[in-house]
Amino acid sequence: QSALTQPASVSGSPGQSITISCTGTSSDVGRYNYVSWYQQHPGKAPKLMIYDVSNRPSGVSSRFSGSKSGNTASLTISGLQAEDEADYYCSSYTSSSTLNWVFGGGTKLTVL
Amino acid sequence: EVQLVQSGAEVKKPGESLKISCKGSGYSFTNYWIGWVRQMPGKGLEWMGIIYPGDSDTRYSPSFQGQVTISADKSISTAYLQWSSLKASDTAMYYCARRITMVNWFDPWGQGTLVTVSS
Repeated sequence: QSALTQPASVSGSPGQSITISCTGTSSDVGRYNYVSWYQQHPGKAPKLMIYDVSNRPSGVSSRFSGSKSGNTASLTISGLQAEDEADYYCSSYTSSSTLNWVFGGGTKLTVL
Repeated sequence: EVQLVQSGAEVKKPGESLKISCKGSGYSFTNYWIGWVRQMPGKGLEWMGIIYPGDSDTRYSPSFQGQVTISADKSISTAYLQWSSLKASDTAMYYCARRITMVNWFDPWGQGTLVTVSS
């Protein structure tokens, strides 16, 4: 079982907005503003989309945004496009492990 | 361009040893951490461990401590992940990824190395 909880799947139609949640505890998501999000297309390596809860790396579309409230972080994708169909993983810094990062179980985004 | 290039796919038998690599280029290899991530078939990402090539400071996830060894050769800008005795359950894709000290995200990632362990 993953340390962070994500929904197994979400879906949306082109142009719509969707939100993926990532629920942790007071030892990780709730304590630190160090949540990152990764996009993984089938057969490809993960790609950093959001870091430190809400920051976008250079080159990532502004349609991707992140936020956090309490022990839950969220990734929102607005104006859904077919190319957004992928798996999304959250990761957080944690104080409860000797290796200080944990992943969520991943969410499969389907663009209908 | 900052790149991490991993070694090619491997097919091994249970009990065999294996060392896969991750070569960094386009940046100062000794000044960034390299993390290793496992992805079993059809499953999610799991942090395995991380190394700082500058001084070989290495940390492992409790789930992987004693199961694998992470090392680095800074003279050739390469990090390694090795097994002394593979099991069928080690069949997975393995990724390396770069981390700047004092930040908590990993970018970029290597292309992955598929390890298949089968008798």
